[in-house]
Amino acid sequence: DTAVSQTPKYLVTQMGNDKSIKCEQNLGHDTMYWYKQDSKKFLKIMFSYNNKELIINETVPNRFSPKSPDKAHLNLHINSLELGDSAVYFCASSQDFAGAYEQYFGPGTRLTVT
Amino acid sequence: AQSVTQLGSHVSVSEGALVLLRCNYSSSVPPYLFWYVQYPNQGLQLLLKYTTGATLVKGINGFEAEFKKSETSFHLTKPSAHMSDAAEYFCAVSDGNNDMRFGAGTRLTVKP
Repeated sequence: DTAVSQTPKYLVTQMGNDKSIKCEQNLGHDTMYWYKQDSKKFLKIMFSYNNKELIINETVPNRFSPKSPDKAHLNLHINSLELGDSAVYFCASSQDFAGAYEQYFGPGTRLTVT
Repeated sequence: AQSVTQLGSHVSVSEGALVLLRCNYSSSVPPYLFWYVQYPNQGLQLLLKYTTGATLVKGINGFEAEFKKSETSFHLTKPSAHMSDAAEYFCAVSDGNNDMRFGAGTRLTVKP
């Protein structure tokens, strides 16, 4: 069983479109995250949710909107896609939001905006 | 806020040689430290972590790291590199308040 899953794995779309990425974890964790990894492999946190509540919202354009329908799911919706949004997006989860817990990462979604 | 510096964006070793990946951190509170590995086209997975207690931490695949507070370092080592170790390695630091910061990553290449 996959611990943290994301769909789709690849997403190719045009500028100006709206797209969503879904994430699910079956680990029973309370905290979930979205990261963006650029072409140089730099990993930047975007959002963090604990028990469906937003607890971290880094400086991210408001075109990005996370939604957590329950603590096992954290989806990412992106409006008006731009070329600079092209990246690999990773979902992750951890047992709790306390920093001692490791994070479990999904396989990533490679977003290409043309 | 805490931060991580990984010295060397690319490290190349021969198969069987020592692997040493360097990580220095900055934190105003006792840190939690992690090493993650990312294989091509995959997500990150935990190699090892330091929270409290013994400063020499052993992880998966023969890797280990030592927390040195005086040097603010958490270098990753493996005595003998395997071809399968070729990957991107990330050091991360957390202050315990859900704020984990990752280093820029070090790409490890293993030559036959």
